[in-house]
Amino acid sequence: SQQGEEDPQALSIQEGENATMNCSYKTSINNLQWYRQNSGRGLVHLILIRSNEREKHSGRLRVTLDTSKKSSSLLITASRAADTASYFCASGDTDKLIFGTGTRLQVFP
Amino acid sequence: NAGVTQTPKFQVLKTGQSMTLQCAQDMNHNSMYWYRQDPGMGLRLIYYSASEGTTDKGEVPNGYNVSRLNKREFSLRLESAAPSQTSVYFCASSLLASSYNEQFFGPGTRLTVL
Repeated sequence: SQQGEEDPQALSIQEGENATMNCSYKTSINNLQWYRQNSGRGLVHLILIRSNEREKHSGRLRVTLDTSKKSSSLLITASRAADTASYFCASGDTDKLIFGTGTRLQVFP
Repeated sequence: NAGVTQTPKFQVLKTGQSMTLQCAQDMNHNSMYWYRQDPGMGLRLIYYSASEGTTDKGEVPNGYNVSRLNKREFSLRLESAAPSQTSVYFCASSLLASSYNEQFFGPGTRLTVL
């Protein structure tokens, strides 16, 4: 399988805390995307970071990319109960995405 | 805009039965995708269609066929369902078949094969 791995598989935190999840991928990439999936729903795109970028911010999201280690991290700052969801990285091959196995985030009020 | 729609939402089949999952998008996207999602496995690409008139295999195409009916619609067919095909199926679309494009997902079809 070409799938990437995400770490941790599950994460539980309190509201207001930061959540960090990591992604490792196997092949060289053009870019890496992060998606969120609420329970029982489809995935929603969060952010894209290109292979020549090291860090990118969007609101409370901060993504880093280390192509030498084939890894990326997603940081959600000041988490809210509404951030409870599964988060997936997707590494960009030429014309398609290869998704990781996901991190389940639970944010307690 | 409805975005990406999928029918049915739920389906139970017996081994050996056939069925077609329907997907439609109203965003004038060129590319469409079918994924399956299994516990602990993330999403795996079954087939995709970079543009109307073309289809290509993804990572797990065995046991499936697809039809890009027109620009809006992309169907997935199981000719002879097997218990290993029990999964949640997602359709997605993107403006172009480029990994730089974000993909928009439908709500999924939960399929159980007995």
